[in-house]
Amino acid sequence: AQKVTQAQTEISVVEKEDVTLDCVYETRDTTYYLFWYKQPPSGELVFLIRRNSFDEQNEISGRYSWNFQKSTSSFNFTITASQVVDSAVYFCALSAEYGNKLVFGAGTILRVKS
Amino acid sequence: DTEVTQTPKHLVMGMTNKKSLKCEQHMGHRAMYWYKQKAKKPPELMFVYSYEKLSINESVPSRFSPECPNSSLLNLHLHALQPEDSALYLCASSQDHREPYEQYFGPGTRLTVT
Repeated sequence: AQKVTQAQTEISVVEKEDVTLDCVYETRDTTYYLFWYKQPPSGELVFLIRRNSFDEQNEISGRYSWNFQKSTSSFNFTITASQVVDSAVYFCALSAEYGNKLVFGAGTILRVKS
Repeated sequence: DTEVTQTPKHLVMGMTNKKSLKCEQHMGHRAMYWYKQKAKKPPELMFVYSYEKLSINESVPSRFSPECPNSSLLNLHLHALQPEDSALYLCASSQDHREPYEQYFGPGTRLTVT
């Protein structure tokens, strides 16, 4: 069975602080994909990143960075110099090699205060 | 263009009404999805269409009836709903459902059943 755990229910930071959102996953598949989505108050889920299980390179995109560690089954997401517009619910998700059923974590609410 | 559109944005319906939700994408994607999302929960998969054929039905009650008239359109017909069906209904699309491509989501329809 597949499972994604986002232990942080809610995080509050002050603008310009760095913040890391944790994601731990469980799967028996050797090939799998991990995703992060952002859901602002408007409701739409915004795709942020897709990473396959064979690519452990960390990735940076502007203020966003992701740290994938198979040894600890974690795929953490860091926002550098947070902004109020980063306030949203962030979901980590997992999908097996065949089929595209996303298993979502419970989500982390991020509140960035000015 | 990575846009998925959904109409209406909001819908209020009685338990005896019949209504439809609509979703459209013009990215040439061959997989389309319906999700249901309750407040403060992650999205739950309802249906997957692949190449205009129903591929996955996650044991959804028959009062929800999906339809895929063509590769760009996805409908969800609603009939005799219950108050507990009130939720945000999200449509998504991806390149294909046979592999874990990223899914692009629409803004959702907020449904209230009275």
